[in-house]
Amino acid sequence: KNQVEQSPQSLIILEGKNCTLQCNYTVSPFSNLRWYKQDTGRGPVSLTIMTFSENTKSNGRYTATLDADTKQSSLHITASQLSDSASYICVVTRGAGNMLTFGGGTRLMVKP
Amino acid sequence: DAGVIQSPRHEVTEMGQEVTLRCKPISGHNSLFWYRQTMMRGLELLIYFNNNVPIDDSGMPEDRFSAKMPNASFSTLKIQPSEPRDSAVYFCASRPNTGDGYTFGSGTRLTVV
Repeated sequence: KNQVEQSPQSLIILEGKNCTLQCNYTVSPFSNLRWYKQDTGRGPVSLTIMTFSENTKSNGRYTATLDADTKQSSLHITASQLSDSASYICVVTRGAGNMLTFGGGTRLMVKP
Repeated sequence: DAGVIQSPRHEVTEMGQEVTLRCKPISGHNSLFWYRQTMMRGLELLIYFNNNVPIDDSGMPEDRFSAKMPNASFSTLKIQPSEPRDSAVYFCASRPNTGDGYTFGSGTRLTVV
């Protein structure tokens, strides 16, 4: 079954600290993996996208990794800011590119 | 580019009423997607169009839901009659045929009372 599992479900950290979010998937055939940030009341916004041959990609303080062999990805946030408080969703594209499988998301809260 | 534009942002309606959600995709994007997001089920694909043609509507929950894309710049998702369990945030997304650029709108929060 094509699935994307994320952990933890929720996370609270202090401003300035780092954190790492996890994503495991069983989607096949694999096309690419995206990490989205969704602020409350807004639509998801793409942070990174990685294909099979890429194992790391950065976007500012966000760094995503991908291990296509173990079907695992992580999103590392460095020096967290209050504005990082949001849900982070791991999304795997299956096949030709139009079928997305969404993880349940990790809800991150950054406290001062 | 204004991005994917959805309207209304919020809709509150009474059970049994017809609800129409609207979406304007990014110009030049060939595929358009309708999603529903709830706390319990996360994001679920309802239907997607390619070049205005419905390709996969297997996610449409039941006959009360219908979607149209009369032209490349406009799509609607209609619920008739609406029920309280339809309460959710409905997102529209679009993407071009080549490259990435998968972009979501800001969503319509629907509440059926």
